[in-house]
Amino acid sequence: DADVTQTPRNRITKTGKRIMLECSQTKGHDRMYWYRQDPGLGLRLIYYSFDVKDINKGEISDGYSVSRQAQAKFSLSLESAIPNQTALYFCATAEGSGEAKNIQYFGAGTRLSVL
Amino acid sequence: GDSVTQMEGPVTLSEEAFLTINCTYTATGYPSLFWYVQYPGEGLQLLLKATKADDKGSNKGFEATYRKETTSFHLEKGSVQVSDSAVYFCALSDPFAGGTSYGKLTFGQGTILTVHP
Repeated sequence: DADVTQTPRNRITKTGKRIMLECSQTKGHDRMYWYRQDPGLGLRLIYYSFDVKDINKGEISDGYSVSRQAQAKFSLSLESAIPNQTALYFCATAEGSGEAKNIQYFGAGTRLSVL
Repeated sequence: GDSVTQMEGPVTLSEEAFLTINCTYTATGYPSLFWYVQYPGEGLQLLLKATKADDKGSNKGFEATYRKETTSFHLEKGSVQVSDSAVYFCALSDPFAGGTSYGKLTFGQGTILTVHP
């Protein structure tokens, strides 16, 4: 089984709909991240969390919200989806301390299309 | 702020050719440097890393040397295979950064590599 699991893997939705992307991990890591990937732009950070009570905005948080329900679960919500949120979304985790905190482990991604 | 610039892609090579993907960075501190690889339909996975100047990271025949004087971390492989076809991302993280850079990776835009038989 994958250490970082994202659901769903693919989703098509309509403009204005609320949608939630889920991420769960079995690595026991404190840190979790949400990114979106667009062609030619690399990965851009949406939100990140260093523990259950510590949630921070990334560089492109507008139009998104997150919930850290437990150490192992970090959900990303689009309150009212719009077409320019069509992208590939990745969840990642990292250890909370030491040099290893700089190494992130990624899920397989969720491909979201907003029509 | 921190930034990473990768060579423009896509890169197309024949099997057994030599590969170089250039990566340069801008950082205020002393970052750790990474190469991640994304195979088709998968998430990113760490390929190699280097944490200080002159360190060489290596894995699966790929190598990259941390060059502080040129702020570069170029990825090389002597003989590519079809199975190396993927997107390659250079990234940095500054373990001593404060403020908004703390605990985060900064990625380059990615370079698509296609290797033909």
